[in-house]
Formats: sequence, C-alpha cells, structure tokens
Amino acid sequence: DAGVTQSPTHLIKTRGQQVTLRCSPKSGHDTVSWYQQALGQGPQFIFQYYEEEERQRGNFPDRFSGHQFPNYSSELNVNALLLGDSALYLCASSSGQLPRNEQFFGPGTRLTVL
Amino acid sequence: AQKITQTQPGMFVQEKEAVTLDCTYDTSDPSYGLFWYKQPSSGEMIFLIYQGSYDQQNATEGRYSLNFQKARKSANLVISASQLGDSAMYFCASPPDSWGKLQFGAGTQVVVTP
Repeated sequence: DAGVTQSPTHLIKTRGQQVTLRCSPKSGHDTVSWYQQALGQGPQFIFQYYEEEERQRGNFPDRFSGHQFPNYSSELNVNALLLGDSALYLCASSSGQLPRNEQFFGPGTRLTVL
Repeated sequence: AQKITQTQPGMFVQEKEAVTLDCTYDTSDPSYGLFWYKQPSSGEMIFLIYQGSYDQQNATEGRYSLNFQKARKSANLVISASQLGDSAMYFCASPPDSWGKLQFGAGTQVVVTP
C-alpha cells in the first residue's frame, strides 16, 4: 500500500516564475492538505481539499492556489514566486472516516526560489 | 486562534537515556486531541503518537509516551531508551477543528549522542 507521494522532490525556480507541485494521497484517503515549512519552523497550513473543492484556507495570498482531481490527487500552484516562497512543501492526506482524522504526510517538495 | 508552544529549541540526550519534550496549548480544551510527529533531516513528517482529549489514560506507543495534563494545558512527549536514530526534529500539533488541519508548534531538535 503506497503512502503519500509527492513530485518533484526538489525544484529550483527564479523570482516571478510559476510552479506546480503534485501530491497523490494514501489509498483510501479523500482529503488532501498542503503545508509550507520554512527552514527552522513548523509547518504552516496553506489549504485543504475535499471533494474537489477548497474546504479550508490558511493565511496565504491568492498566489497560492490548488486543485483536487476526481482520483483525490492534488496540485499546489504558486504564481509570481518570491524569494520568501523558498520552503519545504508538505502534502498530507486523511480520511473523514478515521476516528481521529490522522494526517499522513508525504516526503515533501523542496522549493528554492533564486 | 489556537496556539501550540514548544519552548525547547534543541536538546542533547545520551543514548539509552530518556528525554522529555515539552508542549503546551492555549485553548481551554484541545477537543480534537494532540499529535506528535518526528521529522528527520530527510523532511518527511512521521506520526509518533496521538492523545485524544477525552482519553482516560495517557497514550503510549512503544518507546513513546505522552504525559497529558489538562490542568497545565500540556502534552509532553517522553522518549525512553533513546537511540541514535531518534535524532530529529519533533513537532507537537493539534487540530483546531474537526476537519483535520493541524496547528504545529515550532519544534524541538533532538540530538542523541553515543
């Protein structure tokens, strides 16, 4: 049973560019959450997708957008990249059926903006 | 908004000794429980242990145990018999609502020495 997978593992972009990160949830999970983790800090919640719609959103600008597909996989898009967007981006999947709604994390995508 | 506080930025512990990592929360009741995650240098967030807010007993998972004290609003993680492979960042986290997104603390870096 594959866990949460993310691609790519590493990415280097320049300021002003756009980037798309991808996530496949754990089998049986229907909810995908995205987090941004700056160096030396705890992860910050970006948004959560359920039934192909954004269900919750953290304190991130509209440059951050996402999508969830019918197979529950998800994309995170960031437009007009800033140096401050350099971070580890973590995807987590979960299922409302779990009694404690535990989130399973992927290995992350390290984004560097030059 | 809920806040999770981890006051220990870093700790050294000798192999085979026990270590306690502190975590406090500022809500009146973490209705959706508390999680501890381990993050090695590779980046993946690994689930360690969960404590439900209304569980009668403190949670244990192998060498990990959670010392949950509601009166003190604390949920400290105890790692017994530390191993070199325990060297990592440790994060305390709690869902502020029923939808599962996590609010993380700043983390504690643990280094286990021979």
